[in-house]
Amino acid sequence: SQQGEEDPQALSIQEGENATMNCSYKTSINNLQWYRQNSGRGLVHLILIRSNEREKHSGRLRVTLDTSKKSSSLLITASRAADTASYFCATAPLFTGGGNKLTFGTGTQLKVEL
Amino acid sequence: NAGVMQNPRHLVRRRGQEARLRCSPMKGHSHVYWYRQLPEEGLKFMVYLQKENIIDESGMPKERFSAEFPKEGPSILRIQQVVRGDSAAYFCASSFQGPRYEQYFGPGTRLTVT
Repeated sequence: SQQGEEDPQALSIQEGENATMNCSYKTSINNLQWYRQNSGRGLVHLILIRSNEREKHSGRLRVTLDTSKKSSSLLITASRAADTASYFCATAPLFTGGGNKLTFGTGTQLKVEL
Repeated sequence: NAGVMQNPRHLVRRRGQEARLRCSPMKGHSHVYWYRQLPEEGLKFMVYLQKENIIDESGMPKERFSAEFPKEGPSILRIQQVVRGDSAAYFCASSFQGPRYEQYFGPGTRLTVT
């Protein structure tokens, strides 16, 4: 599997429900980031969580990080139709010698229905 | 504050022609990244540049692709002798800090090779 794999690949929920997406990775990281991409548009940075943090909140977003399991989750509470998008996790290497760049996962497509 | 700007938004080239994609980073950002996204896939890192320097080009195909970020003007991704497999969305991103931190994406250039 790739560095930064999201699960599920696709998720369909009703407006008002919570949406949870997971990301697994393989190597040691400095931080993990979540991005959103609306159809046909560029990515928008949502949140960054550092390797020494376990949980972070931003508005309706809650991100957790478990470095022992090499996994992260993104929770969107009280979803809205406007949250319909693809969500990507991206990992930043712990050591710059390991490739000084973000590695993006394959994404979760979220559809929020009215 | 203008965001990351890319042009053109759409580019159609015949096989064998050259494609030039331009990216102007956000004001104050000196780190620029190029990514390629194939349909229904995540982003694949291509190259990381700072002014007048290529820092990491580990994701660039060995032939036909080149990138620059001159002292003055936008960053350019150049694809020579395009082939149908080059058809994709090409995104540029910039950051204030280095590549392990928040990146701001442009709207992308959609290249179609006919």
